[in-house]
Amino acid sequence: GESVGLHLPTLSVQEGDNSIINCAYSNSASDYFIWYKQESGKGPQFIIDIRSNMDKRQGQRVTVLLNKTVKHLSLQIAATQPGDSAVYFCAEGDNQGGKLIFGQGTELSVKP
Amino acid sequence: EAGVAQSPRYKIIEKRQSVAFWCNPISGHATLYWYQQILGQGPKLLIQFQNNGVVDDSQLPKDRFSAERLKGVDSTLKIQPAKLEDSAVYLCASSLGARVYGYTFGSGTRLTVV
Repeated sequence: GESVGLHLPTLSVQEGDNSIINCAYSNSASDYFIWYKQESGKGPQFIIDIRSNMDKRQGQRVTVLLNKTVKHLSLQIAATQPGDSAVYFCAEGDNQGGKLIFGQGTELSVKP
Repeated sequence: EAGVAQSPRYKIIEKRQSVAFWCNPISGHATLYWYQQILGQGPKLLIQFQNNGVVDDSQLPKDRFSAERLKGVDSTLKIQPAKLEDSAVYLCASSLGARVYGYTFGSGTRLTVV
């Protein structure tokens, strides 16, 4: 069935390094993908999104890459900071409405 | 703008008891969602409302879960009777329209069933 999954459950990086978080999705008909950041005790916070007609989108310190050929999504965080420590989820947009299908999440730990 | 408000923040109940969660979405947001997030997992949609109508409740365990949004604004989610496996964070989210995916989540209600 439909699923969105992450390759790495945990990622530890040094402050100032770049981080890359990966995600695989299975529904080739999905047309919208979002990355969320979730800190302890809080709800998911929108980071960046990308539509299926794009392969790259940049924000402030973040870049999302979409490879539809292999159904792979990645989030790149430049110059990672301690405040970036959180769990990151990719989510897949259901093209029939507003439903999102989330992956399991990757915990990012930034060492000072 | 004020965010999505949820209450209570925490709730501990015994199995077979009932519990209710409340959500107040962002003003003007027609679409409201309830998600269940089990520890270590991503959120899973339980129910989606468009104004006061249900759009998708296919993942809602209807034998024990119920939700309503009578006036198209606030919403309540109820569990009766609760089971141990219902322990999770219940997240409410809202958006302007059903196809606006970048919606806003509340901080959630953490439910522990003992």
